[in-house]
Amino acid sequence: DIQMTQSPSSLSASVGDRVTITCRASQSISSYLNWYQQKPGKAPKLLIYAASSLQSGVPSRFSGSGSGTDFTLTISSLQPEDFATYYCQQSYSTPRAFGPGTKVDIK
Amino acid sequence: EVQLVESGGGLVQPGGSLRLSCAASGFTFSSYAMHWVRQAPGKGLEYVSAISSNGGSTYYANSVKGRFTISRDNSKNTLYLQMGSLRAEDMAVYYCARRWELLGYAIDIWGQGTMVTVSS
Repeated sequence: DIQMTQSPSSLSASVGDRVTITCRASQSISSYLNWYQQKPGKAPKLLIYAASSLQSGVPSRFSGSGSGTDFTLTISSLQPEDFATYYCQQSYSTPRAFGPGTKVDIK
Repeated sequence: EVQLVESGGGLVQPGGSLRLSCAASGFTFSSYAMHWVRQAPGKGLEYVSAISSNGGSTYYANSVKGRFTISRDNSKNTLYLQMGSLRAEDMAVYYCARRWELLGYAIDIWGQGTMVTVSS
């Protein structure tokens, strides 16, 4: 099974900051990497699919990059509504594992 | 509106059984593979089970294999998760989710979740 890791596990940032979250797969997953945002008490929301494609309706301040085993989610200018937990997920093979999450909170 | 609505969660004793349902609307249910993903209180997302669009192929996480059964009724636009021999560690919010091939097999639609509590 492919294992997913994320770093950092949490971070504190201010509105307007540039934020970068890293996700690593235990083996190559090509570009089959997705990013989700989850707010407390809510279902996850798809932000980025296929490593770098922005899901419809998601603000352009979110971007993704990477291929193979190393991937990055970047928020170019953090907004108040972006404070949440972010998960990566590989969709290359079953089980389509999620990373452990990165919690972004207010500095 | 594309929507997934879960039901069937609740309080169950250890060793007991429960069946979750997920009603789909607003899209051609029979064209999509579906998943169950769970989240224990304060924890991350765990991929639990999946089923192909026609129900012919299924997957189970090792943690639930032999105890849970995923199924679907495409005539009723409904996904199911039959859960048995429930343990304390199965306590979680269970999400029904749609997978879309055109989005690199990402999960693009999630239900609101249904809570399963395992306690005596």
